[in-house]
Amino acid sequence: QSALTQPASVSGSPGQSITISCSGTSSDVGAYKYVTWYQHHPGKAPKLMIYDVNNRPSGVSDRFSGSKSGNTASLTISGLQADDEADYYCRSYTNSSTYVFGTGTKVTVL
Amino acid sequence: QVQLVESGGGVVQPGTSLRLSCVASGFSFSSYAIHWVRQAPGKGLEWVALISYDGSNEYYADSVKGRFTVSRDKSKNTVYLQMNSLRSEDTAVYSCARGGTYSDYWGQGTQVTVSS
Repeated sequence: QSALTQPASVSGSPGQSITISCSGTSSDVGAYKYVTWYQHHPGKAPKLMIYDVNNRPSGVSDRFSGSKSGNTASLTISGLQADDEADYYCRSYTNSSTYVFGTGTKVTVL
Repeated sequence: QVQLVESGGGVVQPGTSLRLSCVASGFSFSSYAIHWVRQAPGKGLEWVALISYDGSNEYYADSVKGRFTVSRDKSKNTVYLQMNSLRSEDTAVYSCARGGTYSDYWGQGTQVTVSS
């Protein structure tokens, strides 16, 4: 149950687009559609941003989108805004019927 | 509105036990699986355990398997995390989250500190 691999940090200027990768294996990310993305501001509860690889919950801005290719999932934030600055985590279901989070990515808006 | 409220955290010595509670309200408790997730100081989120909507299935991270037990009481709308043989590396904020394949509501968490 090794954590999924994410870049430690990603930054961008307001209005730009950034992409966060989430690299797993054929036992987790590559095997199932159950990849989710969470936005986490320290001290607050995580917020679901994307579920089932590329679905947005009601109320989440369409600036957030998800995709997957092979064993790697990605979260793209377009039109970057100041309040997008947060930690982002991916999570995947695994072939052991368990779940595993990514290592987390700190997004900085320059 | 949907709420999940954790309690039961505290400061304990290594090797001892603690039971956390997660009280749910604002939704049909018996229809949802519940996760436990933790975040150690300065670290990322770590998945800990999952209990199915009816309590018939439990799943654990390797790091806690054999030491932690998750259970639920539908009469109290509560999920429990029994933590035994606690270690310093279990020090973290523990949160519960609603849902199986995706978690749409989370609690604020309860701090567990394991220290001699």
